Amino acid sequence: GNSVTQMEGPVTLSEEAFLTINCTYTATGYPSLFWYVQYPGEGLQLLLKATKADDKGSNKGFEATYRKETTSFHLEKGSVQVSDSAVYFCALCTPAAGNKLTFGGGTRVLVKP
Amino acid sequence: GAGVSQSPSNKVTEKGKDVELRCDPISGHTALYWYRQSLGQGLEFLIYFQGNSAPDKSGLPSDRFSAERTGGSVSTLTIQRTQQEDSAVYLCASRYGGGPDTQYFGPGTRLTVL
Repeated sequence: GNSVTQMEGPVTLSEEAFLTINCTYTATGYPSLFWYVQYPGEGLQLLLKATKADDKGSNKGFEATYRKETTSFHLEKGSVQVSDSAVYFCALCTPAAGNKLTFGGGTRVLVKP
Repeated sequence: GAGVSQSPSNKVTEKGKDVELRCDPISGHTALYWYRQSLGQGLEFLIYFQGNSAPDKSGLPSDRFSAERTGGSVSTLTIQRTQQEDSAVYLCASRYGGGPDTQYFGPGTRLTVL
């Protein structure tokens, strides 16, 4: 079956620091990969996605590259802001599973001024 | 345009009661999903509707849970004889096509079973 493993939080860092959140997966078939973000008091929203190997998704200064050889999709941002404080979820879907999302456990990130 | 909407936003009920949660997907989206977000289990898939096909119910945790989608649009998730472990945020998402397109999530319904 499909599964996603991401680093546990919370991750606490200072403004302008570099952020990495590791995500690895196992999947039956060829998955599409996603990062969703949940800001405090808000719903889940898509941050970025990649649908094939070596694709790089990017949005709001965040990037993640689909690495098939290491089955990974690590999220990075070079210089975080207080407004990036949120819970980040790595997820995947596969056609064989009806394209339903399988989520990692979420990583809470707290950025301090 | 309008996003996915869910109602109610909060629901408090007593153990043993039935509850109905509603989801209005984005107009024109053919796929609709229900997920549950709880402290102990994280985000987990419940049920999936795609067009007129039979729904994928593989994520429903027990036969107390059921869902329907009327007219290919609005969906209702029903939980019968609620238990305290049903307390969670229930999320609905919709997607335009049948492929790995982005799923758009609603704000969720927070269910508390006393």
